[in-house]
Amino acid sequence: GAGVSQTPSNKVTEKGKYVELRCDPISGHTALYWYRQSLGQGPEFLIYFQGTGAADDSGLPNDRFFAVRPEGSVSTLKIQRTERGDSAVYLCASSLGGTGETQYFGPGTRLLVL
Amino acid sequence: KQEVTQIPAALSVPEGENLVLNCSFTDSAIYNLQWFRQDPGKGLTSLLLIQSSQREQTSGRLNASLDKSSGRSTLYIAASQPGDSATYLCAASGAGSYQLTFGKGTKLSVIP
Repeated sequence: GAGVSQTPSNKVTEKGKYVELRCDPISGHTALYWYRQSLGQGPEFLIYFQGTGAADDSGLPNDRFFAVRPEGSVSTLKIQRTERGDSAVYLCASSLGGTGETQYFGPGTRLLVL
Repeated sequence: KQEVTQIPAALSVPEGENLVLNCSFTDSAIYNLQWFRQDPGKGLTSLLLIQSSQREQTSGRLNASLDKSSGRSTLYIAASQPGDSATYLCAASGAGSYQLTFGKGTKLSVIP
């Protein structure tokens, strides 16, 4: 079956612009996660959705970052007033349930802020 | 706050060798530990998940062990192949938590 998909695969933007990153989880997975991976580092947790609600957004670095999952499936990560430090790979993962389940990752969106 | 460390950062071995990758974590109150593989420019592929109540998990040539008391996990790869070349990441899930805390990974190169 289809895995987690993310679009776009690459995004180049200018400092100060607004970007949206999309994640399409595995069908039937209720849990969805966003992580951010900088070069040479492991992924860092950003936000966790259970269904339509953000159960934990403690990893979002500041209020420029926001994510939604209005119908409990596709999620969009939104970044306002992008900064060069936002450049990273943004990874999305989904799992069948929540705690303790294997998380399945998408290929990521590589964001470059010039 | 959980911290995960992986040693070595890079490892190069000749094809056919058995090898061990190490992962240590500071908070032993983990829910589970996962090992992932990441190929260049790609996402993460889950290899093995060990629940906190388990000591090890096996899948094909891979065997992962977990020792909560010492805060360590190892990934053993038998009879390595060039196709095993990738970065291997371990991640700990805290008790009652869904957040994964990752190490920086070990970059493995298997030389034909």
